[in-house]
Amino acid sequence: EAGVTQSPTHLIKTRGQQATLRCSPISGHTSVYWYQQALGLGLQFLLWYDEGEERNRGNFPPRFSGRQFPNYSSELNVNALELEDSALYLCASSLGERGGQPQHFGDGTRLSIL
Amino acid sequence: RKEVEQDPGPFNVPEGATVAFNCTYSNSASQSFFWYRQDCRKEPKLLMSVYSSGNEDGRFTAQLNRASQYISLLIRDSKLSDSATYLCVASNNAGNMLTFGGGTRLMVKP
Repeated sequence: EAGVTQSPTHLIKTRGQQATLRCSPISGHTSVYWYQQALGLGLQFLLWYDEGEERNRGNFPPRFSGRQFPNYSSELNVNALELEDSALYLCASSLGERGGQPQHFGDGTRLSIL
Repeated sequence: RKEVEQDPGPFNVPEGATVAFNCTYSNSASQSFFWYRQDCRKEPKLLMSVYSSGNEDGRFTAQLNRASQYISLLIRDSKLSDSATYLCVASNNAGNMLTFGGGTRLMVKP
C-alpha cells in the first residue's frame, strides 16, 4: 500500500513568488493535514482538510492557503513568499474525523526561499 | 505554556542502556496519545500509540497517567539505530487534531 506522497521533494523560490505543494494521502484516508517545520523547530500545524473542506487552521497568515480535491489529494499554496517561509512542509493523512487515529506523514517538501 | 512539553535533551546514553522520556500535556480532555520518531531531516514516523493501561512493543513501553497528565516512553537495551528525536503527541477533545511536542533528542553511543 502506497504511503503519503508529496511533491516536489525540493522547491527553490525567491521572495515574493508563489509556491504550490502537493500531497496524496494514503488510500482510504479522507483527512489531510499540513505542517511547517522550520530548521531546528517543532512541527507547527498549518491546515486540516477533510471531505473537501477546511476543518481547522493554525496560527499562520492568510497567504498560506490550500484545498482538498474530490480524490482527497491536497494542495498547499503559499503566496508572497518570505525568507522565513523556508522550511520542511509535511503532509499527513488519517482516517478522517473519527477520533483516535494516528497521522501518517509523507517525506515532505523542502522549500527554500532565496 | 506549550500544550505538549518535552525535555529537548539531548539524552546521551551508551548502547544497551535503558532510557526514559516524559512528556506533559495541558489539555485534560485529550483523548489519544502517540509517540513518533523523527530522524534528522526526515518525516515523523509513528512509533506507537499510548493506551491508558500502558502498552509494550518489543523494547519500547509507553505509559499514560491521566491524573498527572503525563506520558512516558521507556526504551530498553538501546541500539545505535534508536538515535533520533522522539515526539510526544496528544489529541484534542474530539481526538481528530494532534498537537506535537517539540521532541526529545536521543543519541545512543557505542
